[in-house]
Amino acid sequence: SQQGEEDPQALSIQEGENATMNCSYKTSINNLQWYRQNSGRGLVHLILIRSNEREKHSGRLRVTLDTSKKSSSLLITASRAADTASYFCASVLGGTSYGKLTFGQGTILTVHP
Amino acid sequence: GAGVSQSPSNKVTEKGKDVELRCDPISGHTALYWYRQSLGQGLEFLIYFQGNSAPDKSGLPSDRFSAERTGGSVSTLTIQRTQQEDSAVYLCASSSSGGWDTQYFGPGTRLTVL
Repeated sequence: SQQGEEDPQALSIQEGENATMNCSYKTSINNLQWYRQNSGRGLVHLILIRSNEREKHSGRLRVTLDTSKKSSSLLITASRAADTASYFCASVLGGTSYGKLTFGQGTILTVHP
Repeated sequence: GAGVSQSPSNKVTEKGKDVELRCDPISGHTALYWYRQSLGQGLEFLIYFQGNSAPDKSGLPSDRFSAERTGGSVSTLTIQRTQQEDSAVYLCASSSSGGWDTQYFGPGTRLTVL
């Protein structure tokens, strides 16, 4: 079963624009992670934000976490055609001592050159 | 260094047959996870191995599914008497020491049950 929902399901933008994807979850979490998936195969870890953090940056990526609203957002700035992929949020539920991930449904991002 | 590898990359089988999927984690990683990605259910956790501890099998969908990890390294996921609803991409991930360490995913095995 899915822990959360992602919004939008699909996003189409032009190169150079920013892309924002949102993730909502239902129960308490230890941390929330974002992954990228190209061509429906292996997942690449992008960034992890812990439940006591509110914002984190990594290169062109910015992740925010609002535990009161049970939501997170991923911002990709100055997008490139190579950013075209599916993006998933995944959470480790509260009380879990290891990294059992519960995934959202994903956002399909298309960046047009 | 080498990442997580999985074999085969694609497997087509007939309903009722047994299949074995293999995962080679990153050398030295003690934690190993299996996930499944299907159109209907999205990405789901199946099973977790950590060192010599008993695995967490809570995500296995039925008793037709089993997995083992020999010598703390290679893992095999076995599906007996495959059904069409077993068609999915099976993903393996490993992390250095369990806990909440970053998981590194393999390319997956696409299983198609006819």
